[in-house]
Amino acid sequence: DTGVSQDPRHKITKRGQNVTFRCDPISEHNRLYWYRQTLGQGPEFLTYFQNEAQLEKSRLLSDRFSAERPKGSFSTLEIQRTEQGDSAMYLCASSYGVERIYNEQFFGPGTRLTVL
Amino acid sequence: SQQGEEDPQALSIQEGENATMNCSYKTSINNLQWYRQNSGRGLVHLILIRSNEREKHSGRLRVTLDTSKKSSSLLITASRAADTASYFCATVPLSGGYQKVTFGTGTKLQVIP
Repeated sequence: DTGVSQDPRHKITKRGQNVTFRCDPISEHNRLYWYRQTLGQGPEFLTYFQNEAQLEKSRLLSDRFSAERPKGSFSTLEIQRTEQGDSAMYLCASSYGVERIYNEQFFGPGTRLTVL
Repeated sequence: SQQGEEDPQALSIQEGENATMNCSYKTSINNLQWYRQNSGRGLVHLILIRSNEREKHSGRLRVTLDTSKKSSSLLITASRAADTASYFCATVPLSGGYQKVTFGTGTKLQVIP
């Protein structure tokens, strides 16, 4: 399968614990995005990487959230000291583009986080 | 808050009928896209329309864009039960890095066989 993959697909954790999610984009894609989606809502943009550089971050990305894409390939999203309000589906997407050209994003299946 | 607002929030039609969903947004855009999300599955990109385009077709899908009214519509013709899903519009702003996609709240479509 050459699509975007995310791991794990489901994560249940207790409040206060740290969690880390991984996203593997489509191999030739240089851009990678993280979104959060809560029940009944559309996805909300969290952050965006071009290669290894994190170029945009949403105000939603509090200091408990950190994302990395160290080698410009896979990315990790870590949430420290989880809160019940962090319960959501975390979606990753990738695309290929240069300069300011926008191209279609391909989404992964998501990681569903439940914080007890 | 999300920029896109879809209307209606929910829509139920019989198989074979057409379904129309509307989206309104607030800021100037580079492009607008429509996505489909089935229950338990990821988002699937359906169609992208750029700010200098007024109408676009893809199979049974027809999208219109009116930048003066900051609105778009998605028409699905001859609907099928498999079209049952949530549909989201998403906008890319004209300013900034052109990469921050803002999704609406979605229209939940049910197609009854």
